[in-house]
Amino acid sequence: SYVLTQPPSVSVAPGKTARITCGGNNIGSKSVHWYQQKPGQAPVLVIYYDSDRPSGIPERFSGSNSGNTATLTISRVEAGDEADYYCQVWDSSSDHPGWVFGGGTKLTVL
Amino acid sequence: EVQLVESGGGLVQPGGSLRLSCAASGFTVSSNYMSWVRQAPGKGLEWVSVIYSGGSTYYADSVKGRFTISRHNSKNTLYLQMNSLRAEDTAVYYCARPHYDILTGSLNYFDYWGQGTLVTVSS
Repeated sequence: SYVLTQPPSVSVAPGKTARITCGGNNIGSKSVHWYQQKPGQAPVLVIYYDSDRPSGIPERFSGSNSGNTATLTISRVEAGDEADYYCQVWDSSSDHPGWVFGGGTKLTVL
Repeated sequence: EVQLVESGGGLVQPGGSLRLSCAASGFTVSSNYMSWVRQAPGKGLEWVSVIYSGGSTYYADSVKGRFTISRHNSKNTLYLQMNSLRAEDTAVYYCARPHYDILTGSLNYFDYWGQGTLVTVSS
């Protein structure tokens, strides 16, 4: 089955830029989606189709996807961005398709 | 406004059964794809099961043969029947709606999530 690899943690100072990567075999050929999850809350979609933002998500959140790596970029990081972030793809390549999530990255705002 | 409200979680002994419910409002469950996603304590997200609008069902290998997804059209409710429960099934179970791209005929992201219900399997 398809595997997505994320770094367990990323730290960034307020006002700086955070980049969270999601690695997968030829992930650039798939659509990647990103979720933000704060403690005790359900995940919230922040990026879909690699780089689109749902309404209500700040422009500071952006995404890219190429080759074997997709990246979620958060510009001008704020304390409220501290959360776990998950990448996700739809894997239709196997004989039993399904959704695949990365292991998650904890973003710490210093 | 779309809302998903799960219920039915609780403490169950290993080998036991539990049925989760997800009451939907703001859209019609039977016309959409619907799914369950779980999250073990301190762990990441894991897709569990999906029911297509046409009624087909699919499961993650970890629950295949033990869990059954279904829906009640008139109640606009999604269910997850969980049998032969194991300690490793302990998790918060979320009801989520997958987005279906009509143009490409593909499933993609989850656009709506419930608040989750905790299932604890322990003796």
